[in-house]
Amino acid sequence: QSVLTQPPSASGTPGQRVTISCSGSSSNIGSQIVNWFQQLPGTAPKLLIYSNNQRPSGVPDRFSGSKSGTSASLAISGLQSEDEADYYCAVWDGSLNGWVFGGGTKLTVL
Amino acid sequence: EVQLLESGGGLVQPGGSLRLSCAASGFAFSRYAMNWVRQAPGKGLEWVSAISGDGARTYYADSVKGRFTISRDNSKSAVYLQMSSLRAEDTAIYYCVAQNEATVSFDYWGQGTLVTVSS
Repeated sequence: QSVLTQPPSASGTPGQRVTISCSGSSSNIGSQIVNWFQQLPGTAPKLLIYSNNQRPSGVPDRFSGSKSGTSASLAISGLQSEDEADYYCAVWDGSLNGWVFGGGTKLTVL
Repeated sequence: EVQLLESGGGLVQPGGSLRLSCAASGFAFSRYAMNWVRQAPGKGLEWVSAISGDGARTYYADSVKGRFTISRDNSKSAVYLQMSSLRAEDTAIYYCVAQNEATVSFDYWGQGTLVTVSS
């Protein structure tokens, strides 16, 4: 059971917009900044969003992040086949004194 | 080019020990906290341990506290994870991750090293 709750799966067709939610609590998302990661099949995770809504250099602007209260969301617009991957949220938890990850969301492009 | 190269994984019996190493290059190593994150086969990501850039502060997940020890050598741009009293549930790919202390982000990930705990 993960401290952060993500839907196990999401799907969309090419060109669509999909969102992935990440629900936490006041000790993590509610008071800390959220990272999002993309893990393509058979590869190491890659930073997708940091500081709730910032994109590292090289990440397309189709990816965006937001946070409200104790929840965060990752949005992917103009869905492409290469976006098919697992997506994880992560944040520092001040009560646990450690990082916590969401359980991951498997995105399928239909 | 940033590189994080993990080594030291392998097959170990339950109750045994293993030391993972991660050699870093291409970024200002001492300015980054370093983490170990693991992924059991077919499962999600689990944070294991972290150490601050100066090595003064260490943090552990409850699942490994008292069994794993993280350390770093800034003169060698390396971070280590000493694992003892290993259990079957410690079987996973272990990733070395560089955390930007300014933006609190996991900027760089290694390719991982597989640890298998089995008799």
